[in-house]
Formats: sequence, C-alpha cells, structure tokens
Amino acid sequence: GQQVMQIPQYQHVQEGEDFTTYCNSSTTLSNIQWYKQRPGGHPVFLIQLVKSGEVKKQKRLTFQFGEAKKNSSLHITATQTTDVGTYFCAFSNDYKLSFGAGTTVTVRA
Amino acid sequence: DSGVTQTPKHLITATGQRVTLRCSPRSGDLSVYWYQQSLDQGLQFLIHYYNGEERAKGNILERFSAQQFPDLHSELNLSSLELGDSALYFCASSPTGKGRNTEAFFGQGTRLTVV
Repeated sequence: GQQVMQIPQYQHVQEGEDFTTYCNSSTTLSNIQWYKQRPGGHPVFLIQLVKSGEVKKQKRLTFQFGEAKKNSSLHITATQTTDVGTYFCAFSNDYKLSFGAGTTVTVRA
Repeated sequence: DSGVTQTPKHLITATGQRVTLRCSPRSGDLSVYWYQQSLDQGLQFLIHYYNGEERAKGNILERFSAQQFPDLHSELNLSSLELGDSALYFCASSPTGKGRNTEAFFGQGTRLTVV
C-alpha cells in the first residue's frame, strides 16, 4: 500500500538556524497533512496541502507540496526552543489516514 | 484543547486481561480513527469508523476490536493482553472520512501498561 518516508529521522538544530524536513512517496498523493507532537503530548494538526506545487506559510513554518504530488517539505526558519517535537506528515487515502515515521527535532540553545 | 476526549488517561492491567478505551469525538465530527504509538515509534493506524460504520482497517490485531455508537463515540476493545500491547492509544476525529476535510484532531491518548 501507499507509504510515506520522512527524512531525516532526527534533526538537531542550533537555536536560530533554519532546517527542512522531507516527506516522500513513491506514488502520487491526493493530499498531504503535517502534524506536530510535542514530547509527552498528542499530535496536533498543522496544515493540509492538496494542490500541485502548493506553498503555505504559518509564521516561521513553510510547507510545500511537490509539483508531482509525490513529496512535501516543511521548512522552519530561525528555530526556537518551542519548535522541539516530532513532525509527522500524513496522507488520506480511501478512508485511511496514514502517517510517516516522523522527524524528531531537538534544539540546542 | 482539541475537543476530543479519551478515557481513561492511564490504564495498568495484567497480561491476559481485557480493557476498553473510550473516545468522544469533536462535536459534529463523523469520523473516528484509532492509532497505536509505542515508545518512540510512529503512529500505527488501527481502524477508522465513519458515522457508525467501519471504513478502513490497518494493522489491527484480531484480539482488538472497535465500534462506533449512534452518538458517535467510539470504543476500542483490547483482549488477551500481552506485554507488547503496552503503548499509547490515540483516537482522532475528523469532519469527514474522505475527500478534503480529513484533518484529524487527536485526543490526549490513553497510556496502557500491561504487566
């Protein structure tokens, strides 16, 4: 079945730096969603992308859906300690909402 | 607060026992998803109910079952529990089950410990 791969698995970032995490599929996706789970917390919906090449921004976070709708990226600028957590991409297909393995982000102050 | 309520928050039980986890979705949401998250693991999709009907199954063991009631709350039943079933169990609700409005809102989770 359809799956998404997230890279990197772990991201260690210096506070103030930028980083990007990626979500890749071997097949075309109808949509991609991003969630954030803080340590000890539950996943929180961030955004959904549905259009080819779509770009959405939320403050320091920029989300992009690839032209072929097979990959997506999350770019965070000027990382802060509040960005710590695991970022999951997910896609909805035929009543299943499937998640990638996540990128766990730690921040060095 | 996501608006999704899960009870209980913590559950400790012995191997071989049976437990029931409960989820109340956000007001107006028709879909309920169940996920299992083991320590430092991702979210494993178990099952999806939409408006009372099972719509999709993931990697759900035969020892596990679920249902969604007419008031749209859902229960996940785990039986013949094994040590490996210890995990966080999340439910999530969504306005619809297919199409565009599938963003999911998660409850706080139930942490199950099997001893």
